Amino acid sequence: AQSVAQPEDQVNVAEGNPLTVKCTYSVSGNPYLFWYVQYPNRGLQFLLKYITGDNLVKGSYGFEAEFNKSQTSFHLKKPSALVSDSALYFCAVRPLDTGRRALTFGSGTRLQVQP
Amino acid sequence: SQTIHQWPATLVQPVGSPLSLECTVEGTSNPNLYWYRQAAGRGLQLLFYSVGIGQISSEVPQNLSASRPQDRQFILSSKKLLLSDSGFYLCAWSPGGANVLTFGAGSRLTVL
Repeated sequence: AQSVAQPEDQVNVAEGNPLTVKCTYSVSGNPYLFWYVQYPNRGLQFLLKYITGDNLVKGSYGFEAEFNKSQTSFHLKKPSALVSDSALYFCAVRPLDTGRRALTFGSGTRLQVQP
Repeated sequence: SQTIHQWPATLVQPVGSPLSLECTVEGTSNPNLYWYRQAAGRGLQLLFYSVGIGQISSEVPQNLSASRPQDRQFILSSKKLLLSDSGFYLCAWSPGGANVLTFGAGSRLTVL
C-alpha cells in the first residue's frame, strides 16, 4: 500500500524568503507524485506533478518540486514566498505500475507567509 | 473545457437522517470519478472511486455508499447519518489513463 508523509503541520516563512514544504512517500515501484493547494473552504487545486524525466518539476504560481528517489522525497519549493501563498498544501502519490488510479494524499501542511 | 459541479455546498443534517451529495462533470466522457472526505480541515481520505457506470470501488467500509447512474454523475449517499460523518466532502474527476485529479468546490456536511 502507498502512503505519504508531510512531517510539518505548519510552516511559517517571511514574505520574500524561500519556502520548502516537505513530503516523503512510500510506494511499491515507481511513483507518480503531485502537489495540490487548498484555500479555505475550497476544493484542491493542482500545482505540479512528477511522472518521469527531469527530477526538478516546475508548476503553477512559481512553485517547483524536486523528486529524490534515494530519499523517497518530493519537497515543494518556491524561491520567494508571497503572502497570497498562504494556504494548505497537500502532497499525493499514485503507483505508476498498477491500475489503481486514485491518489493517496498526505495530511497537509499549512503554509503561513508573514508580511 | 471541462467543469465539475458539486452540490449542495453546505448541508446541516440531524443524526439518523439520509444523505445525498451529487457531483457531475461536463465536457468530457468516461471520466474516472472520486469521492474524498476531509475531516477537520486536514488530510483527505479516499471513500470511493469509479472507472465507469455502475463500477464502484470502496476504499473504507463505513456508513456511506456511492452510485454512478450516468457516465458523468457520481452520487454519495447514506441511509442514516452518524455524527462522525461530518466533514468536507470533495468530488474529483480525472481522464481515463491520466493522473491529474480536478476537484469540485466541496460540500460541507454537519451532522447534529
